[in-house]
Amino acid sequence: QKEVEQNSGPLSVPEGAIASLNCTYSDRVSQSFFWYRQYSGKSPELIMSIYSNGDKEDGRFTAQLNKASQYVSLLIRDSQPSDSATYLCAVNKGNTPLVFGKGTRLSVIA
Amino acid sequence: DAGVTQSPTHLIKTRGQQVTLRCSPKSGHDTVSWYQQALGQGPQFIFQYYEEEERQRGNFPDRFSGHQFPNYSSELNVNALLLGDSALYLCASSLLGSDGYTFGSGTRLTVV
Repeated sequence: QKEVEQNSGPLSVPEGAIASLNCTYSDRVSQSFFWYRQYSGKSPELIMSIYSNGDKEDGRFTAQLNKASQYVSLLIRDSQPSDSATYLCAVNKGNTPLVFGKGTRLSVIA
Repeated sequence: DAGVTQSPTHLIKTRGQQVTLRCSPKSGHDTVSWYQQALGQGPQFIFQYYEEEERQRGNFPDRFSGHQFPNYSSELNVNALLLGDSALYLCASSLLGSDGYTFGSGTRLTVV
């Protein structure tokens, strides 16, 4: 079982819709959870971090964490074509390097 | 405030050759982590440097080695290059104990 799993997609949503991206992780002692956005050929850019159960909102983005289910998600409201990118879920266990999933490719159709 | 700087941006090498990639961390950061990202995959952790020592290492062969200098900059060396080493190499800097990783723009290595 991989440490961090994501559906590779592509996930296609129409412009203005809500995009829902999901991630599961295997190690229950994981403490910190991150979503990075990566445009094709570019480096990852941090868009959200979450550390405790529940929702965390930042503009059009909402991260959701459920430690009991070992599940973290990212919702993007009012999706725009500029949101089309690969979204990487990353996890760490305290003072350890980030472990990334394979990423989910999102395509927002105008 | 300068971010993470990597050089070169692109590199083409022949199988069997050696390569050195460079990284200057974000101002104020003391820890440098290197990742390899193959096409269509997530970044894979190679190793992390702090106080000029390799602090942690991922599942990569000894052909991959590194160094951190007193000014916190870092190098990644790969010997005896294989075609499979072709990837985007990412450097991320952080402050030890914090979660915030800042990535550089990466070095695209192509081995032919």
